[in-house]
Parts: sequence; structure tokens; C-alpha cells
Amino acid sequence: SQKIEQNSEALNIQEGKTATLTCNYTNYSPAYLQWYRQDPGRGPVFLLLIRENEKEKRKERLKVTFDTTLKQSLFHITASQPADSATYLCALIASGGSYIPTFGRGTSLIVHP
Amino acid sequence: DGGITQSPKYLFRKEGQNVTLSCEQNLNHDAMYWYRQDPGQGLRLIYYSQIVNDFQKGDIAEGYSVSREKKESFPLTVTSAQKNPTAFYLCASSIKAAGTEAFFGQGTRLTVV
Repeated sequence: SQKIEQNSEALNIQEGKTATLTCNYTNYSPAYLQWYRQDPGRGPVFLLLIRENEKEKRKERLKVTFDTTLKQSLFHITASQPADSATYLCALIASGGSYIPTFGRGTSLIVHP
Repeated sequence: DGGITQSPKYLFRKEGQNVTLSCEQNLNHDAMYWYRQDPGQGLRLIYYSQIVNDFQKGDIAEGYSVSREKKESFPLTVTSAQKNPTAFYLCASSIKAAGTEAFFGQGTRLTVV
């Protein structure tokens, strides 16, 4: 069956370090992979999109990689700040013209001052 | 301001009652979705609609119903047939293009009392 896996354990890091979050998937052929940020009690907010033919995408302090051979995406936040503390969700969009994202359970990031 | 609005923020339901969650958007998006989020779990798709007067079941549609009479509105009814309705419900919308980002409302937290 199709599965999207994100670390269920929270990631704790010190301010200024780089946070790296992982999204693995099985039995999917995604055309796109998205990352969202979700704060407690609020809806997710879109951060980045990467296409299957792209290896890396950057936006300010954010970097996403996409390895379709390993079936994995890595999400990096450089120079992390306490304000980056949130849950980060990855979402896959299947090939074939679909636009409906399927979400992983998310990983909680806690940045300590 | 353009956006997607869910109401109410908190909702309490007695056993055996139907309740309706509101979702309105002024982004002129054709596609709208309802997701359910349980603690420690990802977002699971309940229903989606690509055009007015048409909608499709998602992965967990049992016990829920929707309507799409206007482009701006996509209300979700949680019926008494839904045996475990306590959850955080998220409405989203997007343009109908592959890979496009989803815009989320702030969510409705439904509790059975």
C-alpha cells in the first residue's frame, strides 16, 4: 500500500544550527512533492514545491532535495531560529495531472534558544 | 483580503447529532477539499470537489456528506453515522493545476460530548 513516512519523534536542535527533516515514501510515483508548515491549532501553510525532475530547490533559509531513486525528500532549515518551531508536513502529488496532495503525519521541530 | 475561512473554530456535538462545518473561499479556486487530522496523524482526505455541483469521495468519506452549490462554499456535514467524529477538520482550496499549492483554513475542532 502507499505510504508516506516522516519521523514521529520531535527533532530538537539549538538555535543557529541546520535542521534536517526527512520524508520517505513507498508505492508512489509522485510528480511533485510539497512541504508545509503547521503551527498548533492552525491550518498548514505552503512552503516549497519540488518537481520530480528537480534535485534541489531553495527559498531563503529553506532547501529541499528530492531523490526519486531513494524515494526520499530532505527539508533543511539553515540558521534555525526559535520561531521556526512548528510541525512540518510533506505532501505528495501523483503523476497524471492530479493536484490533490496526500500528506504525511509531519515532524515536530523544536528550536532551543 | 483573499483567503479561506472556516467556522466555527470550536464545535461540540452530542451523540446522534448531525453538525455542519462551514468553509468559504474568495480566492476564485475551482478545487476545494476537506481533510481530517487526528493527533499524531497526517491529514486524511474526506471529500473533494473540482467544480460546482460535483464532488468525489476521498479516503475516509463514510459518515460525512458535502455539497458544492456555489464556487465559494463547500460545507461538510458530520452525520451521526460517523462513529468517531472528534478531530480537527481542515478545509483547503487550490486552482486546478498539477502541483499547485493548497490554501488552508484555520480549522474546526469538533468534540463529541
